[in-house]
Amino acid sequence: DAKTTQPNSMESNEEEPVHLPCNHSTISGTDYIHWYRQLPSQGPEYVIHGLTSNVNNRMASLAIAEDRKSSTLILHRATLRDAAVYYCILDKYSGGSNYKLTFGKGTLLTVNP
Amino acid sequence: DAGITQSPRHKVTETGTPVTLRCHQTENHRYMYWYRQDPGHGLRLIHYSYGVKDTDKGEVSDGYSVSRSKTEDFLLTLESATSSQTSVYFCAISFKQGDTEAFFGQGTRLTVV
Repeated sequence: DAKTTQPNSMESNEEEPVHLPCNHSTISGTDYIHWYRQLPSQGPEYVIHGLTSNVNNRMASLAIAEDRKSSTLILHRATLRDAAVYYCILDKYSGGSNYKLTFGKGTLLTVNP
Repeated sequence: DAGITQSPRHKVTETGTPVTLRCHQTENHRYMYWYRQDPGHGLRLIHYSYGVKDTDKGEVSDGYSVSRSKTEDFLLTLESATSSQTSVYFCAISFKQGDTEAFFGQGTRLTVV
């Protein structure tokens, strides 16, 4: 199964940009790159996803390398509410129309005031 | 917020007893998933469903069974609970797979004593 590699933890200051890296060197052509985050005692929350092109939404931006073997989640201005575990996930094609979201251990983001 | 409800939210049960967790959705989404989350392991997929009465195994399915008799409900059953099944269980739903987001419930904390 395709795996992702993320740093265990990162630290940022409030109102500064944050770049969260993810390596997925065994990604397949039909695998979507998803990012979710999880606040303490809550279920994961969708952040963003993409296939080949960079993506932007109200929460974040996703920059995907040209060879798709790595990606970066960009939070443009970190707030204290962005402190969470961030998961980079490959929505892996497993045949037919069945994809499986396979989670890794994620990156614990700490935001300092 | 997506209409997804897990019940119960907390449960303590004894080893060897059967336990059923319920995931209920009001979104009419086709796909439903059960994950467990343990320290050091992130979220691991137990079973998922791609339609009424259509289910498949995830990466940690041993000791668990599921049923989906109607679109809105996805049940996870531990036939004979063991202490290793003490965990936080999350249900998720999605409209389709791959190019879409998944919505997660708030989780069920299960303790097997």
